Amino acid sequence: GENVEQHPSTLSVQEGDSAVIKCTYSDSASNYFPWYKQELGKRPQLIIDIRSNVGEKKDQRIAVTLNKTAKHFSLHITETQPEDSAVYFCAASPDTGSARQLTFGSGTQLTVLP
Amino acid sequence: NAGVMQNPRHLVRRRGQEARLRCSPMKGHSHVYWYRQLPEEGLKFMVYLQKENIIDESGMPKERFSAEFPKEGPSILRIQQVVRGDSAAYFCASGRNRGGDTQYFGPGTRLTVL
Repeated sequence: GENVEQHPSTLSVQEGDSAVIKCTYSDSASNYFPWYKQELGKRPQLIIDIRSNVGEKKDQRIAVTLNKTAKHFSLHITETQPEDSAVYFCAASPDTGSARQLTFGSGTQLTVLP
Repeated sequence: NAGVMQNPRHLVRRRGQEARLRCSPMKGHSHVYWYRQLPEEGLKFMVYLQKENIIDESGMPKERFSAEFPKEGPSILRIQQVVRGDSAAYFCASGRNRGGDTQYFGPGTRLTVL
């Protein structure tokens, strides 16, 4: 089955700096890679996702890059703000077949210091 | 994603009792996924259902756990004879009827076993 590794487990940055979170996956059949943000006691919320037919996707201050050859993908948050503080999870899933569940990384606790 | 409903939001059970968790997917979604999140850990896939069918239950313990998604009504995750180790947040997510589609999460049910 799929295995997703996520680093770092904790990340502290100063407000206005950039934050980068990296994930690797093991199953070459995976081709859908979402990122979720989870605030304490809340549901995971999708912030951006990427499919394997593109290498990069951007949405305002958030971008995701994908390297299918190396089986890794990264989340980039620029101009961080205190409200970006949360736990971020990467995930991977195959696009076809019956196994469509998401396999999640272990999470990164991001703290943006004012 | 606000459309995925789960109830109850909090559930307290004593060891040996049964827990029933309900999930109503977003309108137009016919795929439901259940995930478990232990304290300060990531989300782990449990089971994937479509209406009246269990598609993949590879992440669900063989004993005491069962899930259904009837033709009418919500999906139900049932845990019989709960133990303290079942204490966790249980999230369901829903998606549309095609592969690799975005999964939207409900607010979760926080189960506490005394």
